[in-house]
Amino acid sequence: KQEVTQIPAALSVPEGENLVLNCSFTDSAIYNLQWFRQDPGKGLTSLLLIQSSQREQTSGRLNASLDKSSGRSTLYIAASQPGDSATYLCAVRPGNAGKSTFGDGTTLTVKP
Amino acid sequence: EAQVTQNPRYLITVTGKKLTVTCSQNMNHEYMSWYRQDPGLGLRQIYYSMNVEVTDKGDVPEGYKVSRKEKRNFPLILESPSPNQTSLYFCASSSGAGAYYGYTFGSGTRLTVV
Repeated sequence: KQEVTQIPAALSVPEGENLVLNCSFTDSAIYNLQWFRQDPGKGLTSLLLIQSSQREQTSGRLNASLDKSSGRSTLYIAASQPGDSATYLCAVRPGNAGKSTFGDGTTLTVKP
Repeated sequence: EAQVTQNPRYLITVTGKKLTVTCSQNMNHEYMSWYRQDPGLGLRQIYYSMNVEVTDKGDVPEGYKVSRKEKRNFPLILESPSPNQTSLYFCASSSGAGAYYGYTFGSGTRLTVV
């Protein structure tokens, strides 16, 4: 059974700092990995999707990497801003395209 | 605008009173799924559907029913709601089951069962 872990559970940084969020998974037979942002009580907004054949994806200040062999993905946020404060979740889509598995998320607080 | 629409956004109901949460997507997606999100337990999949008339259980299907009679709609049915089904529910859809496709989520339905 696929297990997805996100460490740390919470992170607080000063504005302007570069930071890395981690996502690890136990089964490397995946189709893709997707990073989401969730504001309190709101839905999930897709940030980046990395296909299993890719190593990284970039969007603006965000860069996500994938190392399937080691079961790890990182989300790099450059020059963090208070508006980046949210919970970030990663989701792994399995090779059999059935049940996807989500991590519990990392709650990020960026202090002005 | 491409989106997944859930209704209602908020619902308070009493134990045992049947209810339906609707989910509709306008992107012609084959794949749709329901999740519940609880503090400390994260997002857990309830049911998913690979296409019309094809549904399968997720991790926590007990107490829920779904149907997929049309491609765009995937309602979640609680035949006899109980307080332990109080949660935040999300519907999601995807264009397919391959590596290129990611999920689009609805805005959520906050259900309280008293």
